[in-house]
Amino acid sequence: GENVEQHPSTLSVQEGDSAVIKCTYSDSASNYFPWYKQELGKRPQLIIDIRSNVGEKKDQRIAVTLNKTAKHFSLHITETQPEDSAVYFCAADTEYGNKLVFGAGTILRVKS
Amino acid sequence: SQTIHQWPATLVQPVGSPLSLECTVEGTSNPNLYWYRQAAGRGLQLLFYSVGIGQISSEVPQNLSASRPQDRQFILSSKKLLLSDSGFYLCAWALAYEQYFGPGTRLTVT
Repeated sequence: GENVEQHPSTLSVQEGDSAVIKCTYSDSASNYFPWYKQELGKRPQLIIDIRSNVGEKKDQRIAVTLNKTAKHFSLHITETQPEDSAVYFCAADTEYGNKLVFGAGTILRVKS
Repeated sequence: SQTIHQWPATLVQPVGSPLSLECTVEGTSNPNLYWYRQAAGRGLQLLFYSVGIGQISSEVPQNLSASRPQDRQFILSSKKLLLSDSGFYLCAWALAYEQYFGPGTRLTVT
């Protein structure tokens, strides 16, 4: 079955710097790769996603890149702000899109 | 627009007691529905998912069960709770690929 690995497990950056979180997946049939942000005590929120027919997608300060050949995708956050501090989860679809397999999460701390 | 509800928001139950958590979705038809559990400081563990009424796929063998009696209703149950059942229970819905989570139920088993 699909396996998703996420690195790093924790990431501390200074406000204004960039943050990059990387994920690898094992199932070459996966076509959908979302990213979720979870603030303390709250539900995970879908912040950006990418499908296999696209190599990069941007939404203001966040972007996601996908390399299907290497089976890895990354989340890039530029000009980080304290409110970006949260746990970020990557995921990949499996079983024809009916399920998502999640990475273990990355705790991002933005220091002001 | 679509809305997902979960209740209760918090629950404290003794070991060995039964459990029933409910999730309902508004504003969509025939969604995929999911139950996840998140232990403190940990990742998202998929427990069950359903692609239609009466269709339940179990991901983890344990003392929990799920049912989907109506198109937009998903119920998580247990006959006897264990201490290890404590956690944050999240329901999610999806049409096509995108999954959206409900507000969650924080369960503490004492």
